[in-house]
Amino acid sequence: AQKVTQAQTEISVVEKEDVTLDCVYETRDTTYYLFWYKQPPSGELVFLIRRNSFDEQNEISGRYSWNFQKSTSSFNFTITASQVVDSAVYFCALGYNQGGKLIFGQGTELSVKP
Amino acid sequence: DTGVSQNPRHKITKRGQNVTFRCDPISEHNRLYWYRQTLGQGPEFLTYFQNEAQLEKSRLLSDRFSAERPKGSFSTLEIQRTEQGDSAMYLCASSLIQGPLHFGNGTRLTVT
Repeated sequence: AQKVTQAQTEISVVEKEDVTLDCVYETRDTTYYLFWYKQPPSGELVFLIRRNSFDEQNEISGRYSWNFQKSTSSFNFTITASQVVDSAVYFCALGYNQGGKLIFGQGTELSVKP
Repeated sequence: DTGVSQNPRHKITKRGQNVTFRCDPISEHNRLYWYRQTLGQGPEFLTYFQNEAQLEKSRLLSDRFSAERPKGSFSTLEIQRTEQGDSAMYLCASSLIQGPLHFGNGTRLTVT
């Protein structure tokens, strides 16, 4: 079965707090890709990151960081020093090519309050 | 840099009517995807094209749904005999063959 689970439906934090969004995936394939997308209130899904299954090195981009652990089938996303502009729905997704068809999780709605 | 463009942004129709949505991808992208998103859920894959060829269709896509990409550029998604259950946001995305998907703003369909 191929599935992505984002157990946190909603998270609310106060500005400058750190927040971690969880993502757990299921697949029998050994080669796959994991993605995070941001969907602000405007509705357009914005690509944030893509990782392949052979690269477990964590990645940091500014205030964003990603922790990929194959042993627990998790690909968690941390926002450091959150800002009001980070308020959005965040989706984790699983794919089998660098592009291609994606299987999305249910999303986590992040609300950052001033 | 023009992104993926979808028209219309909103469509309200009565049950039983046909509707058609248009998607203009990023110009150099040869893959085009359609997804459907309902409230509180992640996008669900419907179909995708590589150039003008439709390479995969989801089992979610009933016979009332048809998509085309006649010249490998823009695409249309038609829903015939709409039902209330078709109410959703219809998202289009495009990509290079090995690239991540870039999404448009979507067309919100309401069937009354």
